[in-house]
Amino acid sequence: QQQVKQSPQSLIVQKGGISIINCAYENTAFDYFPWYQQFPGKGPALLIAIRPDVSEKKEGRFTISFNKSAKQFSLHIMDSQPGDSATYFCAAVISTSGTYKYIFGTGTRLKVLA
Amino acid sequence: NAGVTQTPKFRILKIGQSMTLQCTQDMNHNYMYWYRQDPGMGLKLIYYSVGAGITDKGEVPNGYNVSRSTTEDFPLRLELAAPSQTSVYFCASTSPQGWTEAFFGQGTRLTVV
Repeated sequence: QQQVKQSPQSLIVQKGGISIINCAYENTAFDYFPWYQQFPGKGPALLIAIRPDVSEKKEGRFTISFNKSAKQFSLHIMDSQPGDSATYFCAAVISTSGTYKYIFGTGTRLKVLA
Repeated sequence: NAGVTQTPKFRILKIGQSMTLQCTQDMNHNYMYWYRQDPGMGLKLIYYSVGAGITDKGEVPNGYNVSRSTTEDFPLRLELAAPSQTSVYFCASTSPQGWTEAFFGQGTRLTVV
């Protein structure tokens, strides 16, 4: 199975709160897990990424938590700000016969209230 | 740096018409992709290419064709447009390592009426 299941579909958080978005996968061949951020009218842009050999990666207010045994990973946005309001996509990358495919989740629309 | 450039940004097509969505990247990336983004459905891979002259189907290739004559360009052709092809189309590219950051264009919003 090459699906990546993402939840929730939408999320509303108060300014200063913690935003949490979850993703789950089934194929253990995935070996790279990026998160992309998309603002309205723009293409997705890389936010943060993790390899499966680490359990956590933090960049500023953004943290990826990775649970290899559960085949789950999540994005935590600390001290959420109105400027974080965007759609977030998790993704998993798989290498097949020397080619690389990105499998994206369905996206989470985050709104941070001022 | 221009990165990934898509044209046009918006287009309205009538059923049965054809068009080509253009995609150009100036980063010398081998890998290029076409995705469509439907509301609430995330990004679906249409076609991808691992280098000039090499293309392959993604999840939803029906109704589309691609070509890759140069490293820079990866046009997507719609033949006989249908309302089901109304979507936002994104082109992306990645470096020769493949699994590193994917750079996306700004998208083409296509409406078929």
